[in-house]
Amino acid sequence: DSGVTQTPKHLITATGQRVTLRCSPRSGDLSVYWYQQSLDQGLQFLIQYYNGEERAKGNILERFSAQQFPDLHSELNLSSLELGDSALYFCASSVADTPNYGYTFGSGTRLTVV
Amino acid sequence: AQKITQTQPGMFVQEKEAVTLDCTYDTSDQSYGLFWYKQPSSGEMIFLIYQGSYDEQNATEGRYSLNFQKARKSANLVISASQLGDSAMYFCAMRVTGNQFYFGTGTSLTVIP
Repeated sequence: DSGVTQTPKHLITATGQRVTLRCSPRSGDLSVYWYQQSLDQGLQFLIQYYNGEERAKGNILERFSAQQFPDLHSELNLSSLELGDSALYFCASSVADTPNYGYTFGSGTRLTVV
Repeated sequence: AQKITQTQPGMFVQEKEAVTLDCTYDTSDQSYGLFWYKQPSSGEMIFLIYQGSYDEQNATEGRYSLNFQKARKSANLVISASQLGDSAMYFCAMRVTGNQFYFGTGTSLTVIP
């Protein structure tokens, strides 16, 4: 157990639907990062939150949104889902944004859009 | 701009042999960290090894070592005495201050019995 908890582990939903992915960071970590991993695009950075505030934004679609709550858990909301949104979504947490700190990854949520 | 390049989409190694996975990076920052992660078929991302840009010695963690050549901007992962359980995707990543990780496209390693 890495200490980063992601739920659910698997999600199957239909096109056009909306889903919410949840992440609880490792105890003491203030930063949460969301990544999308699809077969043809590798690991794509979506968004980062630090202590409740949005810190950085990557290739996140307008149909996607995220937030971090006061208890530091984060949710990634994906709406108007398309087949191409099928991917493994990772949450990672980190103690700090300095180069000597790595990520601790959750086990991922595998999203299948049918 | 920050960039990580892994040029080997797939690699094969005989069990008990050593293998080197290549990684080059590009950054204008003086302070950065280089990381390797392993992703088995089950999907989780497992941290393997870290090298700081100011570290003069190559990092080692058990059977993993990082061949850090700063002037060439390379951070190759060496796995010694390969085991069947080493078959996985391997990602090289870089971090600079105040930024998220930048990942390479990964190398798929297959260990042959």
